[in-house]
Amino acid sequence: DAGVIQSPRHEVTEMGQEVTLRCKPISGHDYLFWYRQTMMRGLELLIYFNNNVPIDDSGMPEDRFSAKMPNASFSTLKIQPSEPRDSAVYFCASRYRAYEQYFGPGTRLTVT
Amino acid sequence: AQSVTQLGSHVSVSEGALVLLRCNYSSSVPPYLFWYVQYPNQGLQLLLKYTSAATLVKGINGFEAEFKKSETSFHLTKPSAHMSDAAEYFCAVSEEGGSEKLVFGKGTKLTVNP
Repeated sequence: DAGVIQSPRHEVTEMGQEVTLRCKPISGHDYLFWYRQTMMRGLELLIYFNNNVPIDDSGMPEDRFSAKMPNASFSTLKIQPSEPRDSAVYFCASRYRAYEQYFGPGTRLTVT
Repeated sequence: AQSVTQLGSHVSVSEGALVLLRCNYSSSVPPYLFWYVQYPNQGLQLLLKYTSAATLVKGINGFEAEFKKSETSFHLTKPSAHMSDAAEYFCAVSEEGGSEKLVFGKGTKLTVNP
């Protein structure tokens, strides 16, 4: 299997622009997680899905952030409008029942 | 609420020396515990996990960890460090049979000196 795939790997955008991050989980996995990693706050869970349904979005920082999972093989995390403080590495991870999560390579987002 | 404390944000060892990375957890129910490794510009990779079976858990790359309930600890060790072990290591906890969430520690960056 190719593992969790994320795109783009790097994104540089200007403040106020819309940003869309994409994730393809490992085939057959029924959980999908979005994380944000910063030096200050470490690794934070933003939201997770089970069978394409959002289960817990309590980590989403504010209404500018939204996430969708239209099918079992695709998820997006959208930031609109983006702000400099959103600069971070965003990870997607997927899991099948056995508790360990498999992480993608991450998207490094820079908002100027 | 669950929490994880990793003692030491930076640890430096010589090649061939013992590696010891410390992790203490807080959980109101029996925990599942994990160690992940992150190499520069990469995602997190599972090293090992404890899920209420044997308290001494062996993982990849020669690492192992011991679950000590009385000390609420899950320290990661490796007898002899290699240069390739230089990375950041994260301890994480989730609830046995409960929450799907993983709560991560702040991470420990391991440097291996030649």
